[in-house]
Amino acid sequence: EPEVTQTPSHQVTQMGQEVILRCVPISNHLYFYWYRQILGQKVEFLVSFYNNEISEKSEIFDDQFSVERPDGSNFTLKIRSTKLEDSAMYFCASIGPESSYNEQFFGPGTRLTVL
Amino acid sequence: AQKVTQAQTEISVVEKEDVTLDCVYETRDTTYYLFWYKQPPSGELVFLIRRNSFDEQNEISGRYSWNFQKSTSSFNFTITASQVVDSAVYFCALANAGNMLTFGGGTRLMVKP
Repeated sequence: EPEVTQTPSHQVTQMGQEVILRCVPISNHLYFYWYRQILGQKVEFLVSFYNNEISEKSEIFDDQFSVERPDGSNFTLKIRSTKLEDSAMYFCASIGPESSYNEQFFGPGTRLTVL
Repeated sequence: AQKVTQAQTEISVVEKEDVTLDCVYETRDTTYYLFWYKQPPSGELVFLIRRNSFDEQNEISGRYSWNFQKSTSSFNFTITASQVVDSAVYFCALANAGNMLTFGGGTRLMVKP
């Protein structure tokens, strides 16, 4: 069964460093999302991406964040200068033409630790 | 603005007890979608069910059942005869036509043997 994959599973970085989190959505999916979950808290929407552009973003998604679909398969989230409060689990999700009722398929997540 | 409230932050039951997880939502949209996800200790989000705003039929899947009531804006989830493997955090979520998911705060369920 097709699935969304994310790499790495765990990323440790120093404050101020740039990180890129990678996602490979299901191959024929069209809509892509990033969500964040700070440890012990709820899952929060960051950004949605369709047709090679951002369609919606939350207040969390400030100028430090960017998304890209560089090669038609990967979907990346870049944080330019990480802060301690960026430590969280980051989930990628996608929706395809065959998905009914807007079901989002989630990846397993990348745990980002900023020291 | 959309909002999902899960008033129960933590529930503890003994195995074989029935347990209901509450979810109340707010939205101005007439078309919306409701979901439940399970997050086990390993951290991934496991899809359990989705419902659209036009389908108020309750659903049963094995030991799981869901009660959707538009009149009270609630989408509650019941586990019958709970098992230790049901221990997890459960999230209720709401999506509008734009597909952005708004999650509730989650309910941590602990099932003791």
